[in-house]
Amino acid sequence: DAGVIQSPRHEVTEMGQEVTLRCKPISGHDYLFWYRQTMMRGLELLIYFNNNVPIDDSGMPEDRFSAKMPNASFSTLKIQPSEPRDSAVYFCASSFVPGPLSSPLHFGNGTRLTVT
Amino acid sequence: QKEVEQNSGPLSVPEGAIASLNCTYSDRVSQSFFWYRQYSGKSPELIMSIYSNGDKEDGRFTAQLNKASQYVSLLIRDSQPSDSATYLCAVGLGGGADGLTFGKGTHLIIQP
Repeated sequence: DAGVIQSPRHEVTEMGQEVTLRCKPISGHDYLFWYRQTMMRGLELLIYFNNNVPIDDSGMPEDRFSAKMPNASFSTLKIQPSEPRDSAVYFCASSFVPGPLSSPLHFGNGTRLTVT
Repeated sequence: QKEVEQNSGPLSVPEGAIASLNCTYSDRVSQSFFWYRQYSGKSPELIMSIYSNGDKEDGRFTAQLNKASQYVSLLIRDSQPSDSATYLCAVGLGGGADGLTFGKGTHLIIQP
């Protein structure tokens, strides 16, 4: 299994530019999550999807952030316009939930975003 | 507001000793509990999951859960330098009702 695949691994951009992060979940997983990790705030859930449908986006910090999942094998997280405080590592994770209990998340390698 | 609290450390343990990592959570209806290990610059990787009160052992790792006290712990026996990492506690409500809530992690250092 290839695992969760994220691209790019590193992104450096200037303030005001649009940034698009990409994720391919593990095949067969019906949940996809976007997390952001910083030293100050740790891992924060931004949004998650179930069967390609956004379920909870309450963690998205501002309207500048948007996420889509057009099909079961692809999701994007877009920041427009980007700001220096968006600098963080963004993780995509997926899981399969066969029953009433939460299943562990499988994380991608992350995208390290630096906004100057 | 769901919260997961961990001591940030660093926690320094001599090689071969037992490392004890602790976590408390605020949401009493939480049902699923996980420990992840994260090396610097890497993504979190699952070590243990636990769903019922008591102990669960897997090799050198033992997870302990006490729902009445809202407390989860991870014991690492015979600690090795390769265990040096940040350990994240994660809590879920169940059934994919929401994503997992993570603590900020405990930085563990195993001294050779």
